[in-house]
Amino acid sequence: EAEVAQSPRYKITEKSQAVAFWCDPISGHATLYWYRQILGQGPELLVQFQDESVVDDSQLPKDRFSAERLKGVDSTLKIQPAELGDSAMYLCASSGQAEAFFGQGTRLTVV
Amino acid sequence: DAKTTQPTSMDCAEGRAANLPCNHSTISGNEYVYWYRQIHSQGPQYIIHGLKNNETNEMASLIITEDRKSSTLILPHATLRDTAVYYCRAISSGSARQLTFGSGTQLTVLP
Repeated sequence: EAEVAQSPRYKITEKSQAVAFWCDPISGHATLYWYRQILGQGPELLVQFQDESVVDDSQLPKDRFSAERLKGVDSTLKIQPAELGDSAMYLCASSGQAEAFFGQGTRLTVV
Repeated sequence: DAKTTQPTSMDCAEGRAANLPCNHSTISGNEYVYWYRQIHSQGPQYIIHGLKNNETNEMASLIITEDRKSSTLILPHATLRDTAVYYCRAISSGSARQLTFGSGTQLTVLP
């Protein structure tokens, strides 16, 4: 069964360092989402791509976060510099015409 | 997308039916009702969706009222593995639609 792949599964980084997460969506899915989920809360949409174009990044903290999906397939989310408050689960999802499928996420701990 | 309202938490005895309500009184004609769930430390998982007819799949049944202002997700025989946060969302049709999450309902299945 096709899956959304994310790596790494876990990441520990020191504050002020750069960190990057990678997502490979299900083949053929044009829409890709990145979410941040703080413990005890629902996922918060950070950025949404349609193919290689950003359709919504209104909640992305653009002073330190960036996201790209250069060829409209896999995507990278970067944080530079990381802050203690960025500790969270980062989820990627993709969808075609109906439901979205989620990856297992990357658990980020900033120390 | 229309606002949805769900109870914060619910309990259900193992083996009994779990009925999770959702209000979406401002839903528009082209918005589908989607249900996802998130088991602790995993990415959200799609359950079911519908427009106006009742739907059933191997995981659950979805009952949508005739006026489409509310719906109920039914897990016919809840198991301990159904303990999760359940999210109800009203999402418009077509590609590039936004998928956001609120706080959902924490369902706890009790032995």
